[in-house]
Amino acid sequence: RKEVEQDPGPFNVPEGATVAFNCTYSNSASQSFFWYRQDCRKEPKLLMSVYSSGNEDGRFTAQLNRASQYISLLIRDSKLSDSATYLCVVGYAGNMLTFGGGTRLMVKP
Amino acid sequence: NAGVTQTPKFQVLKTGQSMTLQCAQDMNHEYMSWYRQDPGMGLRLIHYSVGAGITDQGEVPNGYNVSRSTTEDFPLRLLSAAPSQTSVYFCASSYVERVFFGQGTRLTVV
Repeated sequence: RKEVEQDPGPFNVPEGATVAFNCTYSNSASQSFFWYRQDCRKEPKLLMSVYSSGNEDGRFTAQLNRASQYISLLIRDSKLSDSATYLCVVGYAGNMLTFGGGTRLMVKP
Repeated sequence: NAGVTQTPKFQVLKTGQSMTLQCAQDMNHEYMSWYRQDPGMGLRLIHYSVGAGITDQGEVPNGYNVSRSTTEDFPLRLLSAAPSQTSVYFCASSYVERVFFGQGTRLTVV
C-alpha cells in the first residue's frame, strides 16, 4: 500500500465547475500536510498548506481529517488555468516529505 | 533571484555510462534533496542532506551517489546508468517545510 494515495484521474470538468480531490495517508505520525501543483513538464510548486481547522485561499479550500487520515482539496469556479496535476504531500520528522502520485485535472471551456 | 538551479535539463545516456546532475541553491538552506518522478509513482526520495558534509539515503538510493561539500551544491551522480533510471529528476532545497524545486532533468537511458 502506498503511503500517500490519490485518485490519478484525470478529472475532466467544465469551466466554472466545483471539483474535489481526496488523498489518504497511512503514517499516523505525519505532522504536516500540503497540496502542490505541477504543470505539465514543470517542477511542483506549493499550492497551500493544510491545517486541522481547514483553510481557504481564494477559490481553494483544503481540509484535514486526522482521525480518518484524509486530506481534501476543493476548487470552486474552475478556470482553464487550473488544469494541472495536484500532488498531495505529507510530512513527518521535519523536512521528510512523502508525495502522492498526483491527480490530474483538466478544465474544459 | 535564482532559487534552485539544476542542470542539465535534458540528457540521453547509454547503458553503463556515468554522469553527474548538478544542483545549486542560493537561499542558504541546510536541507537539500533529490527526487525522481515516474508516471503514477509520485516523487520518490533518492538521497538527502541536512547540511554540508552530511548525506543520507532516501527511499530509492541504489545506483546513485551524492556529496555535499558546500551548503550551496548537492550533485547527484549516476554510477553506471541503467534503463530503469530513465526518469525525471528534481533537486529540492527546503527551509522548515517550505520546499523549492529545481526545473528538473529529463534523463533517458538507452
